[in-house]
Amino acid sequence: EDKVVQSPLSLVVHEGDTVTLNCSYEVTNFRSLLWYKQEKKAPTFLFMLTSSGIEKKSGRLSSILDKKELFSILNITATQTGDSAIYLCAVWHGGSQGNLIFGKGTKLSVKP
Amino acid sequence: GAVVSQHPSWVICKSGTSVKIECRSLDFQATTMFWYRQFPKQSLMLMATSNEGSKATYEQGVEKDKFLINHASLTLSTLTVTSAHPEDSSFYICSASLFLQGALSYGYTFGSGTRLTVV
Repeated sequence: EDKVVQSPLSLVVHEGDTVTLNCSYEVTNFRSLLWYKQEKKAPTFLFMLTSSGIEKKSGRLSSILDKKELFSILNITATQTGDSAIYLCAVWHGGSQGNLIFGKGTKLSVKP
Repeated sequence: GAVVSQHPSWVICKSGTSVKIECRSLDFQATTMFWYRQFPKQSLMLMATSNEGSKATYEQGVEKDKFLINHASLTLSTLTVTSAHPEDSSFYICSASLFLQGALSYGYTFGSGTRLTVV
């Protein structure tokens, strides 16, 4: 059965800390892995990773994919209270118009 | 780019009535739109996949007669919850994508979601 597993499920840090969120997957016909940030409404897109070993960066956020070990990490440096959210990992799989399989998410709380 | 608009943001309806939710891709043509449902403190669950001009593909356990999906154009898909009941109360989210030659070319962006409350 296809699955996407995120860890930890929740995390509390203080402003300025660096955090690493994990996502492992077991899916057939893997296409890409996507990271989203969800606050009060719908998820907002962060990264899409298709190739192994190539880091993607956006400001204080970065992510990398390891297709051999079947996982990805999302790093957030110098965390701010505005980073508090649920971070969702999803894997796009299947046919040419396959859908996303989501992990349960990691709830990040950044304390001032 | 890749903007997806969903309307309404929230709706309260009486039990037994129907509710229509719209999902539009504003700046690209979406060959495929996905409808998700999210219960409190849970991740997104795919309900159905719709391709423009054809019937939607529903996930196991999702009643197609209950959740009617129409994808009449490359920029608009609608989800109609028919004869709504309190257990249908949930957060519904759409996403729109453009696939070209089997590859995700653009999008996989979510609409802002619709909070449905059935009383």
